[in-house]
Amino acid sequence: AQKITQTQPGMFVQEKEAVTLDCTYDTSDPSYGLFWYKQPSSGEMIFLIYQGSYDQQNATEGRYSLNFQKARKSANLVISASQLGDSAMYFCAMREFNQAGTALIFGKGTTLSVSS
Amino acid sequence: EPEVTQTPSHQVTQMGQEVILRCVPISNHLYFYWYRQILGQKVEFLVSFYNNEISEKSEIFDDQFSVERPDGSNFTLKIRSTKLEDSAMYFCASSGTGGRNQPQHFGDGTRLSIL
Repeated sequence: AQKITQTQPGMFVQEKEAVTLDCTYDTSDPSYGLFWYKQPSSGEMIFLIYQGSYDQQNATEGRYSLNFQKARKSANLVISASQLGDSAMYFCAMREFNQAGTALIFGKGTTLSVSS
Repeated sequence: EPEVTQTPSHQVTQMGQEVILRCVPISNHLYFYWYRQILGQKVEFLVSFYNNEISEKSEIFDDQFSVERPDGSNFTLKIRSTKLEDSAMYFCASSGTGGRNQPQHFGDGTRLSIL
């Protein structure tokens, strides 16, 4: 079974609009962390935002926010006021802490295209 | 801002040859990782390294792979006897501690092409 599911292979948004990128996860570990990374066409992986399973509030970092719904096991990334430079592949990833592991488990990604 | 650096950016190697991918993690980081991304697919974990030993590895990380921290700054991934299916982007990452909320900071990757 997939641990991280990103159901949107591609998303399109107009500049200055908000967009939500979906991520659902599957774990029996009560302690875990969720991460979002951005991969522009140049290939590097850029950390965007983190949400811990016990965090009471949704994480925010500038124009990025995480809509964390624990009961639904979803951790959607919201990008407000989209910019042309936001066009990239976006990956949701999870780390299960009680497994004492360090690996990030990635989803297949969503390609975001921002148009003017 | 400190960053993870990887060399070379692109490596072309004949099948069966050995290849060494090099990484310089962020200087005060303690945990180091290798991931790979086959073209068009998701990023896959290979191995993590802490205190001069492997702390976790995936099924992908078989006997043809090895990692080393030969000095205080470099972290290398060696692939012995490369195969066509080893063609991928290889990412090195590092994190400050093993702390739960510590993001792993990735380098720009090495694109490995096996001919």
